[in-house]
Amino acid sequence: DAGVIQSPRHEVTEMGQEVTLRCKPISGHDYLFWYRQTMMRGLELLIYFNNNVPIDDSGMPEDRFSAKMPNASFSTLKIQPSEPRDSAVYFCASSFRDFSAQHFGDGTRLSIL
Amino acid sequence: QKEVEQDPGPLSVPEGAIVSLNCTYSNSAFQYFMWYRQYSRKGPELLMYTYSSGNKEDGRFTAQVDKSSKYISLFIRDSQPSDSATYLCAMVRNTPLVFGKGTRLSVIA
Repeated sequence: DAGVIQSPRHEVTEMGQEVTLRCKPISGHDYLFWYRQTMMRGLELLIYFNNNVPIDDSGMPEDRFSAKMPNASFSTLKIQPSEPRDSAVYFCASSFRDFSAQHFGDGTRLSIL
Repeated sequence: QKEVEQDPGPLSVPEGAIVSLNCTYSNSAFQYFMWYRQYSRKGPELLMYTYSSGNKEDGRFTAQVDKSSKYISLFIRDSQPSDSATYLCAMVRNTPLVFGKGTRLSVIA
């Protein structure tokens, strides 16, 4: 079975540019999560969806961040405009029925210059 | 005080050693406890899951939860070089997972 698929794997862009990260969850999973991982702060939950509906976006750091889930098989995390402090690894995860057994993608390594 | 505290390591042990990884937490509302393993440049993967105090065993891995002390542990027996990774504890209350920062483990052949 295919796992959670994220694209791109790496993104390097200049400050001020728009960045779009993409995620395809595991088929049949009804929860989708976006995380950010840095050395300083560890793994932080940004937002999560249940059945395509955003449930909690309290982890989204600023209005520059937005996330959508137009259907059960696709989600995006957008940063506009990007800043150097947004540099991190962004993970998408999905799960079925509850929060515990989450399946993670391999992440997008984002560098903002 | 942070909700979940985990010693970042790094922890370096010889092959075959018993490894003990630990987390403490402050919120007694946490109900479920997980350990995730993360290899370099990969996403975390679920290793162990438990919801009650006591021990749970899976092969070389044992997860231990002490809710009265707000302390959880992961033991790895007969450690192998392939166990070299970062281990993250995670906990659930009424909202999704809260992760520790992870402990980096190296098992030296």
